[in-house]
Amino acid sequence: QVQLVQSGAEVKKPGASVKVSCKASGYTFTYYAIHWVRQAPGQRLEWMGWINIVNGNTKYSQKFQDRVTITRDTSATTAYMELNSLRSEDTAVYYCARLWLDDAFDVWGQGTMVTVSS
Amino acid sequence: SSELTQDPAVSVALGQTVTITCQGDSLRTFFANWYQQKPGQAPILVIYGENNRPSGVPDRFSGSRSGNTVSLTITGTQAEDEADYYCYCRDRSGNHGVFGGGTKLTVL
Repeated sequence: QVQLVQSGAEVKKPGASVKVSCKASGYTFTYYAIHWVRQAPGQRLEWMGWINIVNGNTKYSQKFQDRVTITRDTSATTAYMELNSLRSEDTAVYYCARLWLDDAFDVWGQGTMVTVSS
Repeated sequence: SSELTQDPAVSVALGQTVTITCQGDSLRTFFANWYQQKPGQAPILVIYGENNRPSGVPDRFSGSRSGNTVSLTITGTQAEDEADYYCYCRDRSGNHGVFGGGTKLTVL
């Protein structure tokens, strides 16, 4: 079946970086873009950015523009989201999602909890 | 980026109809989608392209748009519909996405 499986939970210190992976299976990886969304505890969903799997082009939210990098490895059918200069406010669950029809995300990863704490 | 505005909380009696709204300028131009999220779970798409249901979503869920406002309506609300609901759309530039603030639906 179509699924996105993300890497496991991370605990990082302020100032460090984290790289979360999102492995796709059950469909042709290059047919669909991947978006990244995060959710701080008790807070709203927050869109971070996306990657065109075919050509690797990316767009990022202005909020994260200076600190986030989204990449993909087509041979591994995996997308990655790296966030730098972590601070406590980055503590959140990070999701990847497949872009389907009409700008909709039809498949989501299970989420990766990233905790930033000294 | 544009904003999408939702009421923070809405309640509905079991079996009744409830409408959740989302307002924003970019809704006039781009498709809106609705997601349901229950505690500790990833979001689930319930309406796409403003008024289409993915397979597996009950037909009591429907969507509509009027001007800069989109609506999610649940007809005959069930207890399992209690969740947070988020609208999503591109921003005015078309290059970025934005979620509404979310609406917590309580079924009484």
